[in-house]
Order: sequence, then structure tokens, then C-alpha cells
Amino acid sequence: KAGVTQTPRYLIKTRGQQVTLSCSPISGHRSVSWYQQTPGQGLQFLFEYFSETQRNKGNFPGRFSGRQFSNSRSEMNVSTLELGDSALYLCASSLDSRDTDTQYFGPGTRLTVL
Amino acid sequence: GDSVTQMEGPVTLSEEAFLTINCTYTATGYPSLFWYVQYPGEGLQLLLKATKADDKGSNKGFEATYRKETTSFHLEKGSVQVSDSAVYFCALSVGGGNKLTFGTGTQLKVEL
Repeated sequence: KAGVTQTPRYLIKTRGQQVTLSCSPISGHRSVSWYQQTPGQGLQFLFEYFSETQRNKGNFPGRFSGRQFSNSRSEMNVSTLELGDSALYLCASSLDSRDTDTQYFGPGTRLTVL
Repeated sequence: GDSVTQMEGPVTLSEEAFLTINCTYTATGYPSLFWYVQYPGEGLQLLLKATKADDKGSNKGFEATYRKETTSFHLEKGSVQVSDSAVYFCALSVGGGNKLTFGTGTQLKVEL
């Protein structure tokens, strides 16, 4: 069974631009979560989508948004990019949306904002 | 709020040494506990998990026991290998939904 895939793997943008990252979950998984990983803040939860609905949201500004499609694929968008948005963005999928579920992570998208 | 505290790294060990990485947590409810590992240049992989008190998670020689009385979930391995060199993250999830709260990570370096 294929794992979680994320595209693109690397992105370079400039301040003020916007970016869209994509995540394809493991087949059959209905929950997709997004995390931001930076050296300073570590791993921080952005949001979770389950059956096309946002179930949980972390403490990030409204510039960070996401959505999930009927096939469970998910996208996250960051508008008006800032230097501090440079990070590894990780997507994780799981079968369901329970706290006991195992989340499977993708390799991440490395975003650099210049 | 929920939080996870891990011992600071890096931890440097010789091959075949015993490993302990301490992890304690604070949670508003009854959490599930996880250890994830991140190898250089890769995403996170689940190493083991425990969903209730006194459960022991184990995988690839690593073990951790859910201790509710001490709010801890320490990671142990009896004999580490060079291939275990990675960053290890303790995490919790509570209250429904897939929101993981991570510790800061502990880098492990195993030398010959």
C-alpha cells in the first residue's frame, strides 16, 4: 500500500506570495492532519480534516488555511508569506479521527521564503 | 493546555549501550501516548504507542510504558545500534481528533 505522498517536496517563494501544498493520504484513510516543523518552535499542529470538514485547528493565523476533497486528498494554503513561514510542512493521515489512531506521516514539503 | 517535556539532547552513546530517553506529559484529559522517530532527511515514523495506563508499547527493541501515576512515557532500548541514530519525539493526543502535541525531540547519536 502506498504511503502518504506530498507535493512538491521543495518550494522557494518570496515574501508576500502565496503557496499551496498538496497531500495524498494512504488509501482508505479519511483523516488528514498538517504540521509545521521549524528548528525554533519544533512540531506544531496546524489543522485536521476529516470527511471534508475541519475537525481541529491549531494556533496559527488565518493566513494558513486548508481543505479536503471527497477523495480525502488535502491541500493547505499559506497566503502573504513571511520569512518565518520557512519550515518543513508535514502531512499525516489516519483511518479515523480518534486520539488512539496511528498517524502516518509523509516526507514533508520544505518551504523556503526569501 | 497539553504539553510534553523531553530530555534535551544530543544523547551520544556507544553501540550496544543502554538507552533511556525521558518523557513526561501534562494533559487535560486521558491521553494516548506515542514515540515517533525521524531519520535524517525523512518524515516521522511511528515507533510505538500506548493508549491506556500500564500499557507497554514495543517495536524494534524499543519499549515504553504508560505510567499515569508519574505522567511519564520513557523510551528504552537495551542495546542501541548505529542505525538507531535519529531524532526521537514523544507525543500525546487527547480529547478526540488527531491533534498530536509533540515534545521538542531528542537527538540520538550512536557511535562505533
